[in-house]
Amino acid sequence: QQQVKQSPQSLIVQKGGISIINCAYENTAFDYFPWYQQFPGKGPALLIAIRPDVSEKKEGRFTISFNKSAKQFSLHIMDSQPGDSATYFCAASVSYNNNDMRFGAGTRLTVKP
Amino acid sequence: GAVVSQHPSWVICKSGTSVKIECRSLDFQATTMFWYRQFPKQSLMLMATSNEGSKATYEQGVEKDKFLINHASLTLSTLTVTSAHPEDSSFYICSVADPGSYGYTFGSGTRLTVV
Repeated sequence: QQQVKQSPQSLIVQKGGISIINCAYENTAFDYFPWYQQFPGKGPALLIAIRPDVSEKKEGRFTISFNKSAKQFSLHIMDSQPGDSATYFCAASVSYNNNDMRFGAGTRLTVKP
Repeated sequence: GAVVSQHPSWVICKSGTSVKIECRSLDFQATTMFWYRQFPKQSLMLMATSNEGSKATYEQGVEKDKFLINHASLTLSTLTVTSAHPEDSSFYICSVADPGSYGYTFGSGTRLTVV
């Protein structure tokens, strides 16, 4: 059973545009929501994460928006660059049991120059 | 965050042979490590949770005798793909739960090709 649903599967954005990736979760016990960035042939790397006590977190060009009532969260990449081209995974876990993190299916982002 | 080293980064082996992949936690003692498998353009599939000093916990559908996991020390977990076949060709990634936070740190992955 997929507990974290991610969309779109793939995304093409022009350089300088905004990339938006959405995730929805089912388990209301989840209280930690990270995003991972993965380049081809590499392991995923933590990009940014949010806890449900805030509705938005921004780090540079990357912003997470969180809607607790809708059980949805999204990643916004502002001023997208070709170097941002990668696969992005959202995830969710129960913080006191981080041995059970659930991942979305991934979004392959291509930023065209 | 934690520092995780995975070795080798790629390996090619003949069908029927066994391959060992190592995952090391370099800067802290990890009682738990995770092993994932990733097919091209697909998500991470958790294979098993490696527990130091005890048996690994395998996800449903993962063959225990096929994918042997050993977590003999607090800094090293190994995944051995036994009697490998071409269908075992995949990208294998380990991870640890970061101490002091809620996130995971992943190894760089191992590309296994069975010919």
